[in-house]
Amino acid sequence: GAGVSQTPSNKVTEKGKYVELRCDPISGHTALYWYRQSLGQGPEFLIYFQGTGAADDSGLPNDRFFAVRPEGSVSTLKIQRTERGDSAVYLCASSPVSRNIAGELFFGEGSRLTVL
Amino acid sequence: KNQVEQSPQSLIILEGKNCTLQCNYTVSPFSNLRWYKQDTGRGPVSLTIMTFSENTKSNGRYTATLDADTKQSSLHITASQLSDSASYICVVVPPNRDDKIIFGKGTRLHILP
Repeated sequence: GAGVSQTPSNKVTEKGKYVELRCDPISGHTALYWYRQSLGQGPEFLIYFQGTGAADDSGLPNDRFFAVRPEGSVSTLKIQRTERGDSAVYLCASSPVSRNIAGELFFGEGSRLTVL
Repeated sequence: KNQVEQSPQSLIILEGKNCTLQCNYTVSPFSNLRWYKQDTGRGPVSLTIMTFSENTKSNGRYTATLDADTKQSSLHITASQLSDSASYICVVVPPNRDDKIIFGKGTRLHILP
């Protein structure tokens, strides 16, 4: 597809379970970001990849959260031992340029995670 | 204090009317300032991007302005349509690539028929 694709669009899980959220960026985009958005709030930064490496993971809230991008394209956000407070929309964005260069950020539609 | 603050938090106007959304920021200088539109249940979509030296940028019925002296940006929507109902998010991009992009909390706009 032409845009950023995120799967699943909705995920309901039970407290304590493991969850994986996938992001397929626009082809050729080297920069990839994960954000978390709660209702009525702006996106909250989680992690930024430039190529395969996590250039900035300072937004990950704790060690239950981990993200990979092994081939510099698709990225997976992994959440272990989910808690109810993890419920949010997880947004992925990609860009053809490095962070803070005046290039466009293209967002996916998000994965809505609900932890019961 | 948030580095990017938006007002009002929410706004209701009648279809066809104009409105202006405000963004106050403390990040200065910056690489660029952006306005995004986010429909309910969707990802944000870019409306405008302005560099530090620009003071206005239009995209159809959307016009963004920037006053670097007062550290304010506005998004003006002309002749609103029902499809304009969404959240509008102001985003400031710092010049240093080690710094994070800063998102406002958004203004929730409701257009009534």
